[in-house]
Amino acid sequence: ETGVTQTPRHLVMGMTNKKSLKCEQHLGHNAMYWYKQSAKKPLELMFVYNFKEQTENNSVPSRFSPECPNSSHLFLHLHTLQPEDSALYLCASSQAENTEAFFGQGTRLTVV
Amino acid sequence: AQKITQTQPGMFVQEKEAVTLDCTYDTSDQSYGLFWYKQPSSGEMIFLIYQGSYDEQNATEGRYSLNFQKARKSANLVISASQLGDSAMYFCAMREFRDSNYQLIWGAGTKLIIKP
Repeated sequence: ETGVTQTPRHLVMGMTNKKSLKCEQHLGHNAMYWYKQSAKKPLELMFVYNFKEQTENNSVPSRFSPECPNSSHLFLHLHTLQPEDSALYLCASSQAENTEAFFGQGTRLTVV
Repeated sequence: AQKITQTQPGMFVQEKEAVTLDCTYDTSDQSYGLFWYKQPSSGEMIFLIYQGSYDEQNATEGRYSLNFQKARKSANLVISASQLGDSAMYFCAMREFRDSNYQLIWGAGTKLIIKP
């Protein structure tokens, strides 16, 4: 079992759909992150949660809504997405914000 | 301005040879950290090695070593005795403290292909 688990691995959704991405970490870490990885672009940090509190929101559109119910789980709720939102969404966790992050395998999202 | 530069979009290397992946960074901070990650086709980002700005010795982890040249602001990853399983994307990242938070700034990556 990997330390950080993301579900689903692949998701195809229409622009009017509502879906959620789930991330779970089994490492006892205190910080969790959502990243977006688009083709030929550097990783973009979307959200940071430290001890369940959101500490960073990198100007992400409101159609992406994070939720962190406890330090082991992180969700990304999606609604009315655009085709340009198609990307690999990676979840990560770290012991603290200044230590190395461990990543899940990502959710490959396609918006049609 | 780009803070992390990986100048090699792609590299082909013969199996068992050593390979050096370039990374240069730009920061005015005295305290920062440098990371290398590997991303195979499965998508997972795998942490490889870390170098702190105050570390005097180059970091090493098994076949991975980081050639840290602070004055040149470079943090190249060296993989010794490359293996077929090393084929992947490799990302360099820098940790900075900004706006009361730590942030990781990522490079665009280098695609490494190991030839048998």
